[in-house]
Amino acid sequence: GAVVSQHPSWVICKSGTSVKIECRSLDFQATTMFWYRQFPKQSLMLMATSNEGSKATYEQGVEKDKFLINHASLTLSTLTVTSAHPEDSSFYICSAAVVGGNQPQHFGDGTRLSIL
Amino acid sequence: SQQGEEDPQALSIQEGENATMNCSYKTSINNLQWYRQNSGRGLVHLILIRSNEREKHSGRLRVTLDTSKKSSSLLITASRAADTASYFCATTIGDSWGKLQFGAGTQVVVTP
Repeated sequence: GAVVSQHPSWVICKSGTSVKIECRSLDFQATTMFWYRQFPKQSLMLMATSNEGSKATYEQGVEKDKFLINHASLTLSTLTVTSAHPEDSSFYICSAAVVGGNQPQHFGDGTRLSIL
Repeated sequence: SQQGEEDPQALSIQEGENATMNCSYKTSINNLQWYRQNSGRGLVHLILIRSNEREKHSGRLRVTLDTSKKSSSLLITASRAADTASYFCATTIGDSWGKLQFGAGTQVVVTP
């Protein structure tokens, strides 16, 4: 149980393109989803917290107009990288969780974004 | 900013040996979690240990937590080649429920 599907797994696109990444909880309802960014051989950096039906909360230094997050339902959150540039190239990972203390987050398999 | 620091950064062992990695953190925590990440993949949850617990086991994994020293350790016993991965500790702090702060990770390579 507790499967999180992230799509696409790999994206290569030209500079200036907007890219949408989907994160779905397949067998549970996730009240909260998180988006992370990971550079090669580094740890995960939390970008934003997404709650169903409300605006996302962004971490300091993350541009909300650059990284648009929508959490339309209890099973789907999307991250759109708008007007992507080479410096946005990275590994993006989502996770989903159910409200309640001391519960683990369940992670998607990540999306590798390469901007040419 | 990262809450935790892990050591060693990298660990290379042979199958059958034990692997131990440590995690230190800076502020009071609600719980501490360990995750595994295979190359180019997402994270897999291994163990969650609450702040009032001192030790926890799951299969070949043993986690300890010392809140007085603000540190935790993950022991993998009788390692296998399939254990090759990066291992991260993560903490949830204060009232920021669910927000995880990850350590830098330990890259473990297990050779047959």
